[in-house]
Formats: sequence, structure tokens, C-alpha cells
Amino acid sequence: GAGVSQSPSNKVTEKGKDVELRCDPISGHTALYWYRQSLGQGLEFLIYFQGNSAPDKSGLPSDRFSAERTGGSVSTLTIQRTQQEDSAVYLCASSLGQGNTIYFGEGSWLTVV
Amino acid sequence: EDQVTQSPEALRLQEGESSSLNCSYTVSGLRGLFWYRQDPGKGPEFLFTLYSAGEEKEKERLKATLTKKESFLHITAPKPEDSATYLCALLGGYNKLIFGAGTRLAVHP
Repeated sequence: GAGVSQSPSNKVTEKGKDVELRCDPISGHTALYWYRQSLGQGLEFLIYFQGNSAPDKSGLPSDRFSAERTGGSVSTLTIQRTQQEDSAVYLCASSLGQGNTIYFGEGSWLTVV
Repeated sequence: EDQVTQSPEALRLQEGESSSLNCSYTVSGLRGLFWYRQDPGKGPEFLFTLYSAGEEKEKERLKATLTKKESFLHITAPKPEDSATYLCALLGGYNKLIFGAGTRLAVHP
């Protein structure tokens, strides 16, 4: 596609429910990233994929967070048993590979009530 | 540890009043320094990548420069549409971007 596509753009969920956020990277981009941005805060790295592998999962905040990527393309970030502190914008980004420009999607706004 | 610090946190300018935003960094081997612009409710929009000290890049009213310890984003004769948060980021291990907290720029007519 022309840009990084994320869905849903907005999600309101009840505390304790599971949510899935989807990212469709730019066509041909082998590297994919997830970041989180809480209200008024900077961007916090969550996880990086090269192809379908995640060599760096260091940013996942807890074992309630998981991510996968299939076919070297679409990625899903799953948050289990959501908590109010999970409320944030979840941003996906992609690039051609190491050292190349990293392009961001518009984000998925998650609100846990 | 790789680190990025941006200043000021917020900047208010009159239209046409030129200024600079600062990004100080510490890194063990610079692989790239990125500037992004972020509008409210939007994802970061790529502006520039700088790879080595002395490098400069320009786009419209923006010019990014890089030294061994800091980068500057110079804004010449800004317009209200330049109002946004400007983010600086270091390229770290695993091609991970390490972001500063950003500078919120407001340009008033």
C-alpha cells in the first residue's frame, strides 16, 4: 500500500478484555515496529520484527502483551486482560531494513474504561 | 546507554520569527539521527535523516544540522502551519528508534 495502515483507528474496551491491533506495512518493507505513545508522553519502543522474526522484544511492558507477524507482512499486537494504564496510541512503523527511513502509520487509539 | 534530550519542551514564535530546536544525544557509534514532525492525533511524519557530523539537509523552511553531540532543526520565517511537535530520534541497536520527548512548536500569526 501507499503507507502504513493500522486498524482499528479507535478502540474503546472494558478493563479485563483482550484487544487486537493490526498493522499493514508498506509493501516490500521487511522491518516492522510497534511503539506506544501515552497522552503527552514520548514514543516508547515495544517490539521490532525483521521478516517474521522478532529479535528485539525488550520493550513489551508485560506478558499481557504479545505480537506476531505472518508472511513477512501484516502484524498483530495483542493485549490480554487490558488495564486502564494500557490506554495509549499504538503506532506501527515499517522500513526497507536496517538504516533505512522508518515510516509511521496514524496509530490505533486505545481507551480502556 | 543511548539517550536523546530535546530542548526546549515548548516554543512559541510569531510568524516570521526564526529559531532553532535542539536535540542532544549520547550514543556509542552514530548510525543515524532522524527528525519527525507530529501533528495532534497523527502519526509522526518523516522529515530528515542525518548520518555524520557536518551533514545538513533542507526542506522548505526547515534545515537540520548535525554535530558529534547534537542536532539542530532550524526554522526560518515560520508560518502557523509549521505548528506541531518536532521529534528527534537516534537509530539504535536492532534498527530501533530511540525518541526524545519532543518540542511543541506554536507559531502565531
